[in-house]
Amino acid sequence: AQSVAQPEDQVNVAEGNPLTVKCTYSVSGNPYLFWYVQYPNRGLQFLLKYITGDNLVKGSYGFEAEFNKSQTSFHLKKPSALVSDSALYFCAVRDNNSGTYKYIFGTGTRLKVLA
Amino acid sequence: NAGVTQTPKFQVLKTGQSMTLQCAQDMNHEYMSWYRQDPGMGLRLIHYSVGAGITDQGEVPNGYNVSRSTTEDFPLRLLSAAPSQTSVYFCASSYSGGTGANVLTFGAGSRLTVL
Repeated sequence: AQSVAQPEDQVNVAEGNPLTVKCTYSVSGNPYLFWYVQYPNRGLQFLLKYITGDNLVKGSYGFEAEFNKSQTSFHLKKPSALVSDSALYFCAVRDNNSGTYKYIFGTGTRLKVLA
Repeated sequence: NAGVTQTPKFQVLKTGQSMTLQCAQDMNHEYMSWYRQDPGMGLRLIHYSVGAGITDQGEVPNGYNVSRSTTEDFPLRLLSAAPSQTSVYFCASSYSGGTGANVLTFGAGSRLTVL
C-alpha cells in the first residue's frame, strides 16, 4: 500500500538560514510527488510537483525539492527561510501504476521560522 | 472560476444525526476527493471519484457515503454522526491533461463538531 512519511512533527529554523523538510514515500512503480502548504485556518495550497524529468523541481515562493528514487525521498528545501514561511507542510504521493488515482498525504510538518 | 466550493463552513451535530457536506467545482475536473484533517494524523482520504458515476473508497471510508451524479458535485454524507467524526473536512479536485494537470485544488474546508 502507498504511504508517505514525514518524520519530523516540527522543524525550527532561523530566518535567513536554509531549511529542509523531509519526506519519504512507499509506492510501487513511478509516483507523482507533491508538496502543499497550509497557513492557519486556510485550505491547502500547491507548492511544487515531480512527475518526470529533472530530479530537482522548483516551485512557488522559492521552494524546491529533490526526487531521489534510490532513497525514495522527496525533501523540500529553501536556501533562505523567511518568517512568512512558517506554516504546516504536507508531502503527498499518487501511485500511477495501480490505476487507483489515490493521493495519499503525510502527517504534516510544522515549520517555524524564528526572527 | 470560483474553484472548489464547500458548504457549510461550520456545522455542529448531535450524535446520530445525519448531514451532507457539499462540494462543487466549476473547473470541469474529472477527479474529486474528500479528506479529513485531524491533529497529528495529517490528511486522510475518505472517498474519491475519477468521473461522474464512479466512486471508490479511500483510507477511512467507514461512516461516510458519496455519490457523483454530475462532474461538478461530490457530496459527502454522514448517515449517523459520531463524535469520532469531529474533524475538518476538505474537498479537492484535479484534472489529468494539460498545464497544471494532476495538482489537487482544495476547498476552504468544513469544520464539523459532533456532540
